[in-house]
Amino acid sequence: GAVVSQHPSWVICKSGTSVKIECRSLDFQATTMFWYRQFPKQSLMLMATSNEGSKATYEQGVEKDKFLINHASLTLSTLTVTSAHPEDSSFYICSAPRGQETQYFGPGTRLLVL
Amino acid sequence: QKEVEQDPGPLSVPEGAIVSLNCTYSNSAFQYFMWYRQYSRKGPELLMYTYSSGNKEDGRFTAQVDKSSKYISLFIRDSQPSDSATYLCAVAGGTSYGKLTFGQGTILTVHP
Repeated sequence: GAVVSQHPSWVICKSGTSVKIECRSLDFQATTMFWYRQFPKQSLMLMATSNEGSKATYEQGVEKDKFLINHASLTLSTLTVTSAHPEDSSFYICSAPRGQETQYFGPGTRLLVL
Repeated sequence: QKEVEQDPGPLSVPEGAIVSLNCTYSNSAFQYFMWYRQYSRKGPELLMYTYSSGNKEDGRFTAQVDKSSKYISLFIRDSQPSDSATYLCAVAGGTSYGKLTFGQGTILTVHP
């Protein structure tokens, strides 16, 4: 069964609004979670590393003020896309490591900004 | 040069064929090697995980790692239409704990 969940699975919003995506590890604790973005027919691109109890680490080129990450507990990380624009439309996926270097991915959240 | 190179395909094979998927990587510090399968509009699903060089078999799937040539492979025997998906190789290790670096993904279609 699924070990990482995401909510919502898809969302449509108007340009300029903010959208929050949740990522939960279901039966294990994750002090670190990862957020990826995937455009159609492309591979996953790591956006940021979410750290429980400290600030997220963003990859080069990712705007930290636009993509707010909060690792609220050992089983929950949230990604908020602030002032979303059509170019932010994408498939957002989180992952959590379980054990050494093995990661499990959530089912993804499809965001469409109109 | 990308850290992980993977032929994006697409690859189309008849049912029952043996499929070979490959990736090369550039950083010798990588020690963990994974293959993920991703169906359309779904999150990646972990298929195989290997540490260092060698082979690992799980049912119809065999993962192979050759660290000397920085080459990783996934073989699928007796391929089925349900194997049609995008296959992503991923590497990890070195100083970046938990961070995966993905290949571009290979789109595989197994036709009946």
